[in-house]
Amino acid sequence: KAGVTQTPRYLIKTRGQQVTLSCSPISGHRSVSWYQQTPGQGLQFLFEYFSETQRNKGNFPGRFSGRQFSNSRSEMNVSTLELGDSALYLCASSFSGGSQETQYFGPGTRLLVL
Amino acid sequence: AQKITQTQPGMFVQEKEAVTLDCTYDTSDQSYGLFWYKQPSSGEMIFLIYQGSYDEQNATEGRYSLNFQKARKSANLVISASQLGDSAMYFCARPLSSYGKLTFGQGTILTVHP
Repeated sequence: KAGVTQTPRYLIKTRGQQVTLSCSPISGHRSVSWYQQTPGQGLQFLFEYFSETQRNKGNFPGRFSGRQFSNSRSEMNVSTLELGDSALYLCASSFSGGSQETQYFGPGTRLLVL
Repeated sequence: AQKITQTQPGMFVQEKEAVTLDCTYDTSDQSYGLFWYKQPSSGEMIFLIYQGSYDEQNATEGRYSLNFQKARKSANLVISASQLGDSAMYFCARPLSSYGKLTFGQGTILTVHP
C-alpha cells in the first residue's frame, strides 16, 4: 500500500504571497490531519478533515485554511505569508481519526518564506 | 491543556547498547494511549509503537518496547541493540479527545556512536 504523499516537497515564497500544499492519504483512510513544525514551537496541530468536513481546528489564524475532496485528498492554503510561516508542514492520515488509531505521516513540505 | 514532556533534549548511546527515552504527560484523563514516532533528518515522521491505555502488558515492536507506568503518567521508549540508523529525533505523542489531534512532546535527539 502506498504511503501518504505530499506535494510539493520544497517551496520558496515571498512575504504576502499565498501557497497551497497537497496531501494524498493512504488508500482507504478518510481522516487527514495537518501539523506545522518549527524549531521554536515544535509540532502544532492545524486542523483535521474527515469526509470533506473540518472536524477540528488548532489555534492558528484564519490565514490558514484547508479543504478535503471526495477522494479524501486534502489541501491546505496559507494566504498573506509571513516570515514566521516558514516551517515543515506535515500531513497525516488515519482510517477515521479515532483517538486510538495510528496516524501515518507523509514526508512533509518544507516552506521557506523570504 | 494537556502537556507532553520529554526531559532529554539529547541522548548519546553506543552502537549495540540499549537506550531509554523518557516521556511523561500531565493530563488527568487516563483513557488515551500514547504513540512514539521517529523523525530522521529527512523530516518524515515514522510510527514506531503504540501503547493503549488499558493494555495490561507493555507494548513491544521488534527492538522497540514501552515502559508504561500509568500511575506515574510516563511511557518511556526503550530501544535495544541500538543501530547507527536509529540516530534521529524521537517524539512521543498523545491524542486528545478531539478527532485527529495529537499533542507532541518537544522531542529527544538520539545519536548512536559506532
